[in-house]
Amino acid sequence: DTGVSQDPRHKITKRGQNVTFRCDPISEHNRLYWYRQTLGQGPEFLTYFQNEAQLEKSRLLSDRFSAERPKGSFSTLEIQRTEQGDSAMYLCASNLGGRSTGELFFGEGSRLTVL
Amino acid sequence: QQPVQSPQAVILREGEDAVINCSSSKALYSVHWYRQKHGEAPIFLMILLKGGEQKGHDKISASFNEKKQQSSLYLTASQLSYSGTYFCGTEEVTGNQFYFGTGTSLTVIP
Repeated sequence: DTGVSQDPRHKITKRGQNVTFRCDPISEHNRLYWYRQTLGQGPEFLTYFQNEAQLEKSRLLSDRFSAERPKGSFSTLEIQRTEQGDSAMYLCASNLGGRSTGELFFGEGSRLTVL
Repeated sequence: QQPVQSPQAVILREGEDAVINCSSSKALYSVHWYRQKHGEAPIFLMILLKGGEQKGHDKISASFNEKKQQSSLYLTASQLSYSGTYFCGTEEVTGNQFYFGTGTSLTVIP
């Protein structure tokens, strides 16, 4: 396994369309995180999973955002009715989990541009 | 709760030292440090788990004062390759979510 992979790397969409991003974590990693990052800002926490259970969702995550991780493997992040403010880099990270978070391994990110 | 970093930006000449600070309003279980170069994903530098712990990696080290909920990253004898944006990441005592700081842009010039 070569690391965390995300798909697509770039997505350009029109306002109002739905988009879905996929993240494949490192295979033995139980914990998976989604972050959003805009230019010049730190990664902003969106949600995380412990195996297939979604344990926490940021209040920033409106009802247009949904994430799932069926079977505790890959995860998807869907944004419905996209708005221009959704334009950002969406980062996925994974680690083994446990009480100590441990090193987060990041994917290359999915860059969303909403026109 | 997003930790706050200072300074926001720093410019150094090769060989100079820098300190980046990270502060949280919440009780912390661990602090991580990451470096991100433009257009790339953040890369892990180190994790600090215990109060008063210090760690080092080459000429980069860090300390964690859990009583003050603060951590500092020390870069000594900076190299051009140190340029990038540095983020602290914090794990709070009360949960497993992981928050990144506001970031510090570091530029090392010849």
